[in-house]
Amino acid sequence: QKEVEQDPGPLSVPEGAIVSLNCTYSNSAFQYFMWYRQYSRKGPELLMYTYSSGNKEDGRFTAQVDKSSKYISLFIRDSQPSDSATYLCATSTGGTSYGKLTFGQGTILTVHP
Amino acid sequence: GAVVSQHPSRVICKSGTSVKIECRSLDFQATTMFWYRQFPKQSLMLMATSNEGSKATYEQGVEKDKFLINHASLTLSTLTVTSAHPEDSSFYICSARIRGLPYEQYFGPGTRLTVT
Repeated sequence: QKEVEQDPGPLSVPEGAIVSLNCTYSNSAFQYFMWYRQYSRKGPELLMYTYSSGNKEDGRFTAQVDKSSKYISLFIRDSQPSDSATYLCATSTGGTSYGKLTFGQGTILTVHP
Repeated sequence: GAVVSQHPSRVICKSGTSVKIECRSLDFQATTMFWYRQFPKQSLMLMATSNEGSKATYEQGVEKDKFLINHASLTLSTLTVTSAHPEDSSFYICSARIRGLPYEQYFGPGTRLTVT
Protein backbone atom coordinates (compact mmCIF):
# COMPACT_ATOMS: atom_id res chain seq x y z
CA GLN A 1 0.00 0.00 0.00
CA LYS A 2 1.35 3.41 -0.97
CA GLU A 3 1.62 5.94 1.82
CA VAL A 4 -0.36 8.50 -0.17
CA GLU A 5 -3.08 7.46 -2.62
CA GLN A 6 -4.50 9.80 -5.23
CA ASP A 7 -6.90 9.07 -8.05
CA PRO A 8 -4.90 9.78 -11.22
CA GLY A 9 -8.00 10.68 -13.21
CA PRO A 10 -7.94 12.06 -15.80
CA LEU A 11 -10.60 14.54 -14.81
CA SER A 12 -12.27 16.72 -17.41
CA VAL A 13 -14.65 19.55 -16.45
CA PRO A 14 -16.24 22.53 -18.19
CA GLU A 15 -15.03 26.02 -17.45
CA GLY A 16 -16.67 27.44 -14.33
CA ALA A 17 -17.16 24.07 -12.65
CA ILE A 18 -16.16 23.27 -9.09
CA VAL A 19 -13.35 20.75 -9.03
CA SER A 20 -12.74 18.39 -6.13
CA LEU A 21 -9.40 16.61 -5.85
CA ASN A 22 -8.71 14.11 -3.10
CA CYS A 23 -6.01 12.04 -1.47
CA THR A 24 -5.88 9.54 1.33
CA TYR A 25 -2.87 8.67 3.39
CA SER A 26 -1.92 5.91 5.79
CA ASN A 27 0.82 7.37 8.01
CA SER A 28 -0.70 9.10 11.01
CA ALA A 29 2.63 10.85 11.63
CA PHE A 30 2.07 13.18 8.68
CA GLN A 31 1.54 16.71 9.96
CA TYR A 32 2.01 18.93 6.91
CA PHE A 33 -0.15 18.69 3.83
CA MET A 34 0.55 20.40 0.54
CA TRP A 35 -0.96 20.70 -2.90
CA TYR A 36 1.26 21.27 -5.91
CA ARG A 37 0.39 22.10 -9.50
CA GLN A 38 2.58 20.76 -12.26
CA TYR A 39 2.35 21.78 -15.88
CA SER A 40 3.63 19.44 -18.55
CA ARG A 41 7.42 19.04 -18.49
CA LYS A 42 7.78 21.51 -15.62
CA GLY A 43 8.59 21.22 -11.94
CA PRO A 44 5.81 21.35 -9.35
CA GLU A 45 4.78 24.68 -7.85
CA LEU A 46 3.26 25.02 -4.41
CA LEU A 47 -0.42 25.97 -4.37
CA MET A 48 -1.53 25.51 -0.79
CA TYR A 49 -0.29 24.10 2.47
CA THR A 50 -1.95 23.26 5.77
CA TYR A 51 -0.69 22.09 9.10
CA SER A 52 -2.72 19.40 10.88
CA SER A 53 -6.49 19.33 10.38
CA GLY A 54 -8.58 22.19 9.12
CA ASN A 55 -9.45 24.33 6.13
CA LYS A 56 -7.48 26.96 4.30
CA GLU A 57 -8.72 29.21 1.56
CA ASP A 58 -6.76 31.21 -1.01
CA GLY A 59 -8.77 32.85 -3.73
CA ARG A 60 -10.49 30.15 -5.76
CA PHE A 61 -8.65 27.37 -3.95
CA THR A 62 -9.63 25.68 -0.69
CA ALA A 63 -7.60 22.96 1.00
CA GLN A 64 -9.10 20.67 3.62
CA VAL A 65 -7.46 18.13 5.87
CA ASP A 66 -9.31 15.62 8.01
CA LYS A 67 -6.73 13.78 10.06
CA SER A 68 -9.33 11.54 11.71
CA SER A 69 -10.11 9.97 8.34
CA LYS A 70 -6.68 10.64 6.81
CA TYR A 71 -8.28 12.51 3.95
CA ILE A 72 -6.95 15.53 2.03
CA SER A 73 -8.97 17.62 -0.40
CA LEU A 74 -8.43 20.52 -2.75
CA PHE A 75 -11.40 22.42 -4.17
CA ILE A 76 -11.13 24.75 -7.12
CA ARG A 77 -14.03 27.12 -7.66
CA ASP A 78 -14.87 28.75 -10.99
CA SER A 79 -12.31 26.59 -12.75
CA GLN A 80 -10.48 28.10 -15.70
CA PRO A 81 -8.74 26.52 -18.72
CA SER A 82 -5.47 27.79 -17.22
CA ASP A 83 -6.08 25.45 -14.27
CA SER A 84 -5.49 22.51 -16.60
CA ALA A 85 -2.48 20.71 -15.11
CA THR A 86 -1.53 17.79 -12.92
CA TYR A 87 -2.31 18.32 -9.24
CA LEU A 88 -0.20 16.52 -6.69
CA CYS A 89 -0.90 16.17 -3.01
CA ALA A 90 2.11 15.83 -0.73
CA THR A 91 2.64 15.15 2.94
CA SER A 92 5.45 15.51 5.40
CA THR A 93 6.23 14.68 8.99
CA GLY A 94 8.29 16.81 11.29
CA GLY A 95 11.30 15.71 13.25
CA THR A 96 14.24 14.08 11.51
CA SER A 97 12.34 13.77 8.24
CA TYR A 98 11.74 17.50 8.12
CA GLY A 99 11.38 18.58 4.53
CA LYS A 100 11.04 15.09 3.06
CA LEU A 101 7.86 15.01 1.00
CA THR A 102 5.74 12.01 0.06
CA PHE A 103 3.66 12.61 -3.05
CA GLY A 104 0.45 11.14 -4.35
CA GLN A 105 0.30 9.92 -7.94
CA GLY A 106 -1.14 13.19 -9.23
CA THR A 107 -4.50 13.92 -10.85
CA ILE A 108 -4.56 15.15 -14.43
CA LEU A 109 -7.16 17.93 -14.74
CA THR A 110 -8.45 19.42 -17.97
CA VAL A 111 -10.78 22.41 -17.89
CA HIS A 112 -12.35 22.93 -21.29
CA PRO A 113 -13.88 26.22 -22.46
CA GLY B 1 10.21 34.41 -5.09
CA ALA B 2 12.77 31.66 -4.65
CA VAL B 3 14.08 30.32 -7.95
CA VAL B 4 15.69 26.97 -8.60
CA SER B 5 17.31 26.19 -11.92
CA GLN B 6 18.38 22.92 -13.47
CA HIS B 7 20.83 22.31 -16.26
CA PRO B 8 20.51 20.82 -18.75
CA SER B 9 16.77 20.85 -19.33
CA ARG B 10 17.05 17.92 -21.70
CA VAL B 11 19.83 15.47 -22.43
CA ILE B 12 20.19 12.45 -24.67
CA CYS B 13 23.08 10.10 -24.06
CA LYS B 14 24.24 6.69 -25.16
CA SER B 15 23.99 3.65 -22.98
CA GLY B 16 27.06 3.25 -20.78
CA THR B 17 27.95 6.92 -20.56
CA SER B 18 27.60 9.19 -17.54
CA VAL B 19 25.47 12.30 -17.30
CA LYS B 20 25.68 15.16 -14.80
CA ILE B 21 22.67 17.28 -13.88
CA GLU B 22 23.08 20.54 -11.98
CA CYS B 23 20.60 22.06 -9.56
CA ARG B 24 21.11 25.64 -8.42
CA SER B 25 19.23 27.88 -6.02
CA LEU B 26 19.55 31.28 -7.66
CA ASP B 27 18.50 33.75 -5.01
CA PHE B 28 18.74 31.89 -1.73
CA GLN B 29 20.98 29.50 0.14
CA ALA B 30 19.56 26.01 0.39
CA THR B 31 20.31 24.03 3.49
CA THR B 32 18.97 20.89 1.89
CA MET B 33 18.39 19.76 -1.67
CA PHE B 34 16.28 16.82 -2.76
CA TRP B 35 16.43 14.78 -5.93
CA TYR B 36 13.33 13.14 -7.40
CA ARG B 37 12.60 11.12 -10.48
CA GLN B 38 9.28 11.03 -12.23
CA PHE B 39 8.13 8.52 -14.82
CA PRO B 40 5.42 9.51 -17.32
CA LYS B 41 2.06 10.03 -15.67
CA GLN B 42 3.45 8.99 -12.32
CA SER B 43 4.30 10.78 -9.16
CA LEU B 44 7.60 12.15 -7.93
CA MET B 45 9.69 9.53 -6.17
CA LEU B 46 12.31 10.84 -3.78
CA MET B 47 15.73 9.48 -4.63
CA ALA B 48 17.99 11.20 -2.13
CA THR B 49 18.44 14.07 0.26
CA SER B 50 21.62 16.07 0.25
CA ASN B 51 22.95 18.57 2.74
CA GLU B 52 25.81 20.90 1.95
CA GLY B 53 29.15 19.43 2.93
CA SER B 54 27.89 16.00 3.90
CA LYS B 55 27.09 12.73 2.18
CA ALA B 56 23.70 12.31 0.60
CA THR B 57 21.07 10.10 2.18
CA TYR B 58 19.56 7.72 -0.36
CA GLU B 59 16.08 6.26 -0.27
CA GLN B 60 15.63 2.53 -0.12
CA GLY B 61 16.16 0.90 -3.48
CA VAL B 62 18.21 3.75 -4.97
CA GLU B 63 21.74 2.73 -5.92
CA LYS B 64 24.14 5.23 -4.45
CA ASP B 65 26.97 4.13 -6.73
CA LYS B 66 24.83 4.70 -9.78
CA PHE B 67 23.32 8.02 -8.77
CA LEU B 68 26.15 10.12 -7.38
CA ILE B 69 25.11 13.26 -5.57
CA ASN B 70 27.44 16.08 -4.65
CA HIS B 71 26.30 19.11 -2.68
CA ALA B 72 29.32 21.34 -3.12
CA SER B 73 27.86 24.58 -1.83
CA LEU B 74 24.69 26.09 -0.39
CA THR B 75 23.52 26.91 -3.92
CA LEU B 76 24.63 23.92 -5.98
CA SER B 77 23.92 20.20 -5.99
CA THR B 78 24.75 17.80 -8.79
CA LEU B 79 23.35 14.41 -9.71
CA THR B 80 25.53 12.18 -11.86
CA VAL B 81 23.93 9.16 -13.46
CA THR B 82 26.81 6.77 -14.02
CA SER B 83 26.86 4.11 -16.73
CA ALA B 84 23.38 5.10 -17.81
CA HIS B 85 21.00 2.54 -19.28
CA PRO B 86 17.68 2.98 -21.10
CA GLU B 87 15.77 2.18 -17.91
CA ASP B 88 17.34 5.30 -16.34
CA SER B 89 15.44 7.44 -18.85
CA SER B 90 13.18 9.64 -16.78
CA PHE B 91 12.38 13.17 -15.66
CA TYR B 92 14.72 14.21 -12.85
CA ILE B 93 13.62 17.07 -10.61
CA CYS B 94 15.49 18.74 -7.80
CA SER B 95 14.14 20.87 -5.01
CA ALA B 96 15.88 23.21 -2.61
CA ARG B 97 14.76 23.90 0.91
CA ILE B 98 15.29 27.07 2.83
CA ARG B 99 15.83 26.37 6.51
CA GLY B 100 12.26 26.18 7.75
CA LEU B 101 9.08 24.25 7.27
CA PRO B 102 8.54 21.36 4.83
CA TYR B 103 6.55 23.43 2.38
CA GLU B 104 9.32 26.02 2.13
CA GLN B 105 10.81 23.95 -0.65
CA TYR B 106 11.15 25.09 -4.24
CA PHE B 107 11.36 22.89 -7.27
CA GLY B 108 13.49 23.16 -10.35
CA PRO B 109 12.00 22.84 -13.83
CA GLY B 110 13.31 19.30 -14.26
CA THR B 111 15.72 17.52 -16.61
CA ARG B 112 14.51 15.06 -19.20
CA LEU B 113 17.08 12.27 -19.58
CA THR B 114 16.85 9.90 -22.52
CA VAL B 115 19.32 7.04 -22.73
CA THR B 116 19.56 5.39 -26.14
